[in-house]
Amino acid sequence: NAGVTQTPKFRVLKTGQSMTLLCAQDMNHEYMYWYRQDPGMGLRLIHYSVGEGTTAKGEVPDGYNVSRLKKQNFLLGLESAAPSQTSVYFCASSPRERGTGELFFGEGSRLTVL
Amino acid sequence: KQEVTQIPAALSVPEGENLVLNCSFTDSAIYNLQWFRQDPGKGLTSLLLIQSSQREQTSGRLNASLDKSSGRSTLYIAASQPGDSATYLCAVPLMDSSYKLIFGSGTRLLVRP
Repeated sequence: NAGVTQTPKFRVLKTGQSMTLLCAQDMNHEYMYWYRQDPGMGLRLIHYSVGEGTTAKGEVPDGYNVSRLKKQNFLLGLESAAPSQTSVYFCASSPRERGTGELFFGEGSRLTVL
Repeated sequence: KQEVTQIPAALSVPEGENLVLNCSFTDSAIYNLQWFRQDPGKGLTSLLLIQSSQREQTSGRLNASLDKSSGRSTLYIAASQPGDSATYLCAVPLMDSSYKLIFGSGTRLLVRP
């Protein structure tokens, strides 16, 4: 019963490098989200998706891109990493039933940009 | 604009004490309210979800209440244990098609043996 799985769990990048974080859920959820969590800033929404093939911007989308080619996967890409993107990234998913659906989180991906 | 506030930011209590964590929100038009627990270096675990039509939800030693009219929710932890030490966050979804959650900044709880 995997739930929401994020890979990788840890990564160190140099400024300017690119990378992709993968989120996979096995609960057949429609909605998927990428958050970042920083000390003193709480959880902030980067991008989200309300279904396969759809994506939308959250509060802090700059410097990130996402794709939802398959319902179970939601990818977060950093095109040119910056030290300000050092953070812990969380993926979450929720069933379609608005008003009743819980949010389920992955374990997080800790990214350091040097 | 929906804003979620949690007070206190940190709380330290001796083992066995009953305690209350507070969550307030500015827009009372909500679908539901969810309480999460986060252990250091870990993800968020859903504890309780209260629908807008409900007044409270219980799970073991946890009881969450919801008062929409006053924009408040409380999480009651009975007979606290050191294993309850964690950060507790509350969140409400925006009333639009995105179902985006707005999170409070959390209450960091330490239960001393």
